[in-house]
Amino acid sequence: KQEVTQIPAALSVPEGENLVLNCSFTDSAIYNLQWFRQDPGKGLTSLLLIQSSQREQTSGRLNASLDKSSGRSTLYIAASQPGDSATYLCAVHSFSNTGNQFYFGTGTSLTVIP
Amino acid sequence: NAGVTQTPKFQVLKTGQSMTLQCAQDMNHEYMSWYRQDPGMGLRLIHYSVGAGITDQGEVPNGYNVSRSTTEDFPLRLLSAAPSQTSVYFCASSPSGGETQYFGPGTRLLVL
Repeated sequence: KQEVTQIPAALSVPEGENLVLNCSFTDSAIYNLQWFRQDPGKGLTSLLLIQSSQREQTSGRLNASLDKSSGRSTLYIAASQPGDSATYLCAVHSFSNTGNQFYFGTGTSLTVIP
Repeated sequence: NAGVTQTPKFQVLKTGQSMTLQCAQDMNHEYMSWYRQDPGMGLRLIHYSVGAGITDQGEVPNGYNVSRSTTEDFPLRLLSAAPSQTSVYFCASSPSGGETQYFGPGTRLLVL
C-alpha cells in the first residue's frame, strides 16, 4: 500500500523567507503527484500537478519538483507572505489492489510571521 | 460554475441513525470521490466513481454506500452511524481521474 509522508508537520518562518516542504512516498508506480493548500475549516485547493513523466512544475512563487525513482517531491515557496499560512498537503495518484487511488500525506502546517 | 457543492455543512447524528451526504458538481466531470479527513491520518478515500452507474471502493469503504445515477451527483450514505464515523467528509471531482482534483467545502459530521 502506498504510504505518503510529509515532513515537517509544522513550520514557522518570518515573512520574506524562501522555504521547502517535503513529501515522500513508498511506491514509485504513480500516475501523478499533486500539491494542495487547505485553509482552516475549508476544502482543498489544488496548487500544482506533476505528471509522472515530469520533473517539475511552476506557478508564480511556487515550484514543485518530483523525483519518482527516489519517491520524493518538494514544494518550494519563494518570498513567503503571511497569506501563505495554511496547511499544505501532497497527494499521490497511484495503483492499488482496489484500483487507482489518491493517497494523501498528513500535511505541513505553515505559519508565516509578519 | 458553482464547482463542487456539498450539503449539509454540519450534522449531528445519534449512533444508529442514517443519513445521506450530498455532493454535486457542474463541471461535467466523470470522476468523483469521497474522502474523510481525521486528525493525524490525512485524507482517506472512501468510495469513488469513474462515471454514471460505476462505483468502486476506496481505502475505507466499510459503513458507507454510494451510487452514481447521474454525472452531476454522488451521494454518500451512512446506513447506521457509529462514533468512529465522526469526521470531516470531502467530495472531489476531476475530468477523468488523472487530472487536477476539485474539492467541495466539506461536511463536518459528529456522531454521538
